[in-house]
Amino acid sequence: GENVEQHPSTLSVQEGDSAVIKCTYSDSASNYFPWYKQELGKRPQLIIDIRSNVGEKKDQRIAVTLNKTAKHFSLHITETQPEDSAVYFCAASYGGSQGNLIFGKGTKLSVKP
Amino acid sequence: NAGVTQTPKFQVLKTGQSMTLQCAQDMNHNSMYWYRQDPGMGLRLIYYSASEGTTDKGEVPNGYNVSRLNKREFSLRLESAAPSQTSVYFCASSVLGDEKLFFGSGTQLSVL
Repeated sequence: GENVEQHPSTLSVQEGDSAVIKCTYSDSASNYFPWYKQELGKRPQLIIDIRSNVGEKKDQRIAVTLNKTAKHFSLHITETQPEDSAVYFCAASYGGSQGNLIFGKGTKLSVKP
Repeated sequence: NAGVTQTPKFQVLKTGQSMTLQCAQDMNHNSMYWYRQDPGMGLRLIYYSASEGTTDKGEVPNGYNVSRLNKREFSLRLESAAPSQTSVYFCASSVLGDEKLFFGSGTQLSVL
């Protein structure tokens, strides 16, 4: 079945450094790739997304890149801050159905001051 | 504007008991979803409703039923709870044709 692999599962960086989280997906029909941030005890919240007709998208300190040929996409956070500490989930649409997402298992990012 | 509201926030059940998790959204969204989140497993789709009057199974539907009561409300029912259903349950909604999900605050369910 459809699958999304996410790496690493944990990531620790110093404040000010960059962080990169990578995901691969299996469904070649996937055309939507969002990233969600979940702080401890809170709900997941969308931070950035990208569609299959775009290779890169930026929003201030965060960016997402997509390689459809290789079926992988990545989240890049620059100039990390302690408030970036959270669990990040990637996801990919599947089955050609709007809104159906397969999520990766998450990356726990810790930013040390 | 409350967004997506889930009740209850916490619940403890005994094996075999039944209960219904409630979800309501006030954003006039067409599509609604139920996910479960287990440690190290990410979010897995249980059921979804693309629009009022329709429901479909997701990745992990066994042991659950859903009802799309109206455009605002989408409930999840556990008929006979099992310890394997101990999890955090999130309801979400989106505009039809737009995959951006808005999540509720979650229900932490323990089945003993």
